[in-house]
Amino acid sequence: GAVVSQHPSRVICKSGTSVKIECRSLDFQATTMFWYRQFPKQSLMLMATSNEGSKATYEQGVEKDKFLINHASLTLSTLTVTSAHPEDSSFYICSARTSGGSTDTQYFGPGTRLTVL
Amino acid sequence: QKEVEQNSGPLSVPEGAIASLNCTYSDRGSQSFFWYRQYSGKSPELIMSIYSNGDKEDGRFTAQLNKASQYVSLLIRDSQPSDSATYLCAVNNGGGANNLFFGTGTRLTVIP
Repeated sequence: GAVVSQHPSRVICKSGTSVKIECRSLDFQATTMFWYRQFPKQSLMLMATSNEGSKATYEQGVEKDKFLINHASLTLSTLTVTSAHPEDSSFYICSARTSGGSTDTQYFGPGTRLTVL
Repeated sequence: QKEVEQNSGPLSVPEGAIASLNCTYSDRGSQSFFWYRQYSGKSPELIMSIYSNGDKEDGRFTAQLNKASQYVSLLIRDSQPSDSATYLCAVNNGGGANNLFFGTGTRLTVIP
């Protein structure tokens, strides 16, 4: 159980275009999903927390107008990188949290590798 | 002070040896603790969770938690080359929407 999928797994786009990444919890409902970014040989960096039915909470330094997050249902969150530039090239990983409480757990999707030309 | 600290390594152990990975955390109110394994180019994979003091064993993996000293460790017995990866320690402090804090990870290399 606790499977999280992401689509697409890899995307290459031209500078200035927008890219949408989907994150789905396949066998559980996730009121909270998280979006991370990871540059080569660096650690995970939390970008934003996505809550179903409400606005996402962005970490300091992350532009909310550039990285649009929509958590439309309990199993789906999307991240749209608007007007992508080469510096946005990175590994984007989502995670979904199981039901709240002290023992809740985050499970990660397989990640999306974005390359902006 | 970082919420969760790990030695970045690299940690190298010979095949068959015990690999010991350590993690300390700053929030004494933390309630649950996780170890994730991340292979190069892949996303993190949950391998262990622990919630109470003491040891928790799962196959070749043993997680150890000491809340008084605020550390959590992961032991890997009979290390295999396939265990070579970066191991991320994560701590849940039980509060707020984003209550899972990650360490920067320890890179483990198991030498055949």
